[in-house]
Amino acid sequence: AQSVTQPDIHITVSEGASLELRCNYSYGATPYLFWYVQSPGQGLQLLLKYFSGDTLVQGIKGFEAEFKRSQSSFNLRKPSVHWSDAAEYFCAVGGGGNKLVFGAGTILRVKS
Amino acid sequence: GAGVSQSPRYKVTKRGQDVTLRCDPISSHATLYWYQQALGQGPEFLTYFNYEAQPDKSGLPSDRFSAERPEGSISTLTIQRTEQRDSAMYRCASSLVGDAGELFFGEGSRLTVL
Repeated sequence: AQSVTQPDIHITVSEGASLELRCNYSYGATPYLFWYVQSPGQGLQLLLKYFSGDTLVQGIKGFEAEFKRSQSSFNLRKPSVHWSDAAEYFCAVGGGGNKLVFGAGTILRVKS
Repeated sequence: GAGVSQSPRYKVTKRGQDVTLRCDPISSHATLYWYQQALGQGPEFLTYFNYEAQPDKSGLPSDRFSAERPEGSISTLTIQRTEQRDSAMYRCASSLVGDAGELFFGEGSRLTVL
């Protein structure tokens, strides 16, 4: 069965510092991988996705993620965090069908 | 519409009552999904529709849960004889057919069962 683990429940970074959010997945075939962001009172928004090809994918708002098959990981990164990045981030895996499996989320706090 | 719209945003009900949640997807999107999100957890798949067909309802927790999309646009999720464990955020999302993963989510309906 598919599963996603986000080991960090909360992360706090200083504004301007770099960010890495961890995601590990379990899936029997080549996965489709996603990062979504949820700001308070809003719906989830897609940041980026990996289907195939280049393992480093670029997303919106300056985010990127790298697919590492050997580590079953799809970590999200940003070189310099802005206060507006404070939100909850969800990693998700799918098999190309219509059902996504989400991790439990990581809450990002940004301190000035 | 311009985005996915859900109503009501908040619903408080007593145990044993029936509730119906509504989702109005993006007008060009044929596929509609329902997810349940418990506090501190990620969304969990309940069911989805392609137009009015419902190919997969494997995520519905029990037969108290049902969903409809009779005309292939607006959908409702009904929970009969609500229980306290049904308290959660219910999220609707829509997508273009075949665009797996590119889901557009509504703001959700927060259900509290007392």
